[in-house]
Order: sequence, then C-alpha cells, then structure tokens
Amino acid sequence: AQRVTQPEKLLSVFKGAPVELKCNYSYSGSPELFWYVQYSRQRLQLLLRHISRESIKGFTADLNKGETSFHLKKPFAQEEDSAMYYCALNGSGGSNYKLTFGKGTLLTVNP
Amino acid sequence: DAMVIQNPRYQVTQFGKPVTLSCSQTLNHNVMYWYQQKSSQAPKLLFHYYDKDFNNEADTPDNFQSRRPNTSFCFLDIRSPGLGDAAMYLCATSRALNQPQHFGDGTRLSIL
Repeated sequence: AQRVTQPEKLLSVFKGAPVELKCNYSYSGSPELFWYVQYSRQRLQLLLRHISRESIKGFTADLNKGETSFHLKKPFAQEEDSAMYYCALNGSGGSNYKLTFGKGTLLTVNP
Repeated sequence: DAMVIQNPRYQVTQFGKPVTLSCSQTLNHNVMYWYQQKSSQAPKLLFHYYDKDFNNEADTPDNFQSRRPNTSFCFLDIRSPGLGDAAMYLCATSRALNQPQHFGDGTRLSIL
C-alpha cells in the first residue's frame, strides 16, 4: 500500500522567512514523488517532481529515501506563495500506477 | 487556453436523481482520471481510462461509473446520488500512467 503523510494542516510564516512543508511517504518500491499546488480559485497544478531535480518558483524538494521524506523548501517565502500544497506519490508498475495524495498543507505567507 | 475542461463548474441534483459530469481535453493524452475530493480531504482516485481500457479502484462505489467515447471526452455518471456524494470532482489527464497529471477546475456537486 502507498501512503503520503503531510503532518501540518496549516502553516503560517512571514514574508521573507524560510518555509518547509513536510511530506513523508510509505511505499515498498521506487516511488515517484510530486508536489502539486492549488492557488486560490485556481486548478490543481504540478509544482515539481523529484526526478526533475529543478527549482520552481524558488521551491526545491529532495527525495530522502532513508527518511522516506520529500519535504518542500523555499529560503524566502513570498506572499504569492500562499496556497494549498499537496504532496503526491506515484507507485511503479501494475496497479501501483496511481497518484496518492497527502491531505495537503495550507500555507499562508503574511506581509 | 484551458487544456482540461470540466462542465459544469457547479452542479446541483436531487437525492437519487442520476447526474453526469463532463470532462474534455485538448492535450491528446492517453490517460484520463476522475477524482473525488471532499472538504479538507485529499483527492481520491475513483477510476481511470488508459485509452479505452477502464480501471476501477477497488473501493469506488458501484454507484459511480464512467464513459470515454473518444480520446477527448470522459464522463462521470452517478446513478443514484446520495448525500455523501456531495464533493468536488476533479478530472485529470496524463500522457502515460507515470507522467505528471494535468487537472481541470473541477465540478462541485451538491445534493438536495
């Protein structure tokens, strides 16, 4: 079974502060991890995926297989980063090929 | 330039009255998905089509069915909606099963 845990339902930081949204996963094979974001009144959209190893809008995420984590980080939060963030896992092969979402973390960046 | 389009944005139906939600895509993606998202919960996969092959999640109620008449369109049919089926329904597409998914705006379903 595959499971994604986002321990923080709400996260509030001030503009310019570092932010880290936590994500832990449970999966026996080689997972593919994603972060999706949903800004207010907009559709759910892909922010980044671990195999790309790129920084999007200043966000990065590193897959740590030892800790089974895929935390999302940004050194200096901006007000426009306020959104709902979902960590998601895609298993590999057969019936595991499905996206399992965490419950999401609502990030608020205060001025 | 919306690439995954869901209609309508809001749907109200009566308890037990069949309802159909629509999704279309301009991406020519092979896979189309339907998710159910209840308030403060994660999106939950109901089923997906890989081309014409239908794949139902084990815990998807029999009340929920889907049709994909062609590459571009996919429908979610709820045969006899109950109050517990009130939710946001999200359609998504991807080029292949292990590729990133592109989501529509969703249809919010209310049951009277």
